[in-house]
Amino acid sequence: GIQVEQSPPDLILQEGANSTLRCNFSDSVNNLQWFHQNPWGQLINLFYIPSGTKQNGRLSATTVATERYSLLYISSSQTTDSGVYFCAVERDYGGSQGNLIFGKGTKLSVKP
Amino acid sequence: SQTIHQWPATLVQPVGSPLSLECTVEGTSNPNLYWYRQAAGRGLQLLFYSVGIGQISSEVPQNLSASRPQDRQFILSSKKLLLSDSGFYLCAWSRDGFEAFFGQGTRLTVV
Repeated sequence: GIQVEQSPPDLILQEGANSTLRCNFSDSVNNLQWFHQNPWGQLINLFYIPSGTKQNGRLSATTVATERYSLLYISSSQTTDSGVYFCAVERDYGGSQGNLIFGKGTKLSVKP
Repeated sequence: SQTIHQWPATLVQPVGSPLSLECTVEGTSNPNLYWYRQAAGRGLQLLFYSVGIGQISSEVPQNLSASRPQDRQFILSSKKLLLSDSGFYLCAWSRDGFEAFFGQGTRLTVV
């Protein structure tokens, strides 16, 4: 099956710093999402981005499908950004069921 | 707008007891529905998905089963829980297999 690798596994930042999280995948995808899991376990949708670039406030994401990677940028980090960030993909097999394969996540800690 | 409800939020069950977790979606029709499990705090694994009433596909062999008795209702069940069934269970929905939205999850501890 498709492999999803996220890096780094852990990241500690000082409040106000910028960061880049990476997601590599081993096959063509027709679905790629970034999620933030808060301390209560809830998965918050950040981006649906199978290709291209999107921005939402201090967050932006870029997926280069031909090179099989996606990047999540967090600028001017805040303590509320802490949590685990997941990348999830669905392999492009010509259809779309929405069956997501998750990476292991990047655990972000933002210190005040 | 669409919302997804999942309950209970936490559950402690003895080994060998039955399980029933329920998930309902509001504000949409004929959604794709999913059950995921997150073990040991990282990484979600797809357990079941459904594209319509009575249509269930299983991704991994396990002690659990799923049912979809109504269009917007998805139930995760077990006849006899094992210790290894402990984990964080999340229900999700999508429109035609595109962007997925997750419920708040059920933290299950089997003792």
